[in-house]
Amino acid sequence: EVQVVESGGDLVQPGGSLRLSCEASGFTFSTYWMTWVRQAPGQGLEWVANIKPDGSEGYYMDSVKGRFTISRDNAKNSLYLQMNSLRDEDTALYYCARYGYVAGCDIWGQGTVVTVSS
Amino acid sequence: QSALTQPPSASGSPGQSVTISCTGTSSDIGGYNYVSWYQQHPGKAPKLIIYEVYKRPSGVPDRFSGSKSGNTASLTVSGLQADDEATYYCCSYTGINNYVFGTGTKVTVL
Repeated sequence: EVQVVESGGDLVQPGGSLRLSCEASGFTFSTYWMTWVRQAPGQGLEWVANIKPDGSEGYYMDSVKGRFTISRDNAKNSLYLQMNSLRDEDTALYYCARYGYVAGCDIWGQGTVVTVSS
Repeated sequence: QSALTQPPSASGSPGQSVTISCTGTSSDIGGYNYVSWYQQHPGKAPKLIIYEVYKRPSGVPDRFSGSKSGNTASLTVSGLQADDEATYYCCSYTGINNYVFGTGTKVTVL
């Protein structure tokens, strides 16, 4: 079965750090762009970052540049999001997704919850 | 990058059609034919229903159709069914491998 499963979400204080993971299975992970998308409680979807298939470059939304780092380990079929200097507004459900189509994400996980609060 | 603008809500009776607009700028929707649409039911992950403006992934019924004119993209759901009741989001490429989502439209089947 083609799927991605996120983990690593937690309650963290403002200014803290967290690393999210996404484990892929059922497809050739190393050939796909991957992305992180978040959804604050009761709010809409927000694109956070994406990464090339070979992991050579990542791209970010403005508000997380310099604080978040997207990476991947193709040998482990895993995607990561290192989040530093966390803010209240980073509180959200974080989804991992695959770009199975041009600019279209066809495989999504169920998400992992990040709560930033003191 | 500001979110694309969608109407907060739309509705229709079973069997009818509903069209949702998604307005951006020449830097996103107007600049690229990379508009996608997602359907999200409460508590569930989003589902891709349209990509590259009008293309449907396998398994998505042809009741869902997409189009674009200038800086505005549209999603039409024909033959509304109860299961179409969900929130729909547009998404556009904005260049340099960046993307932006729309504000979301909640569709109610009356």
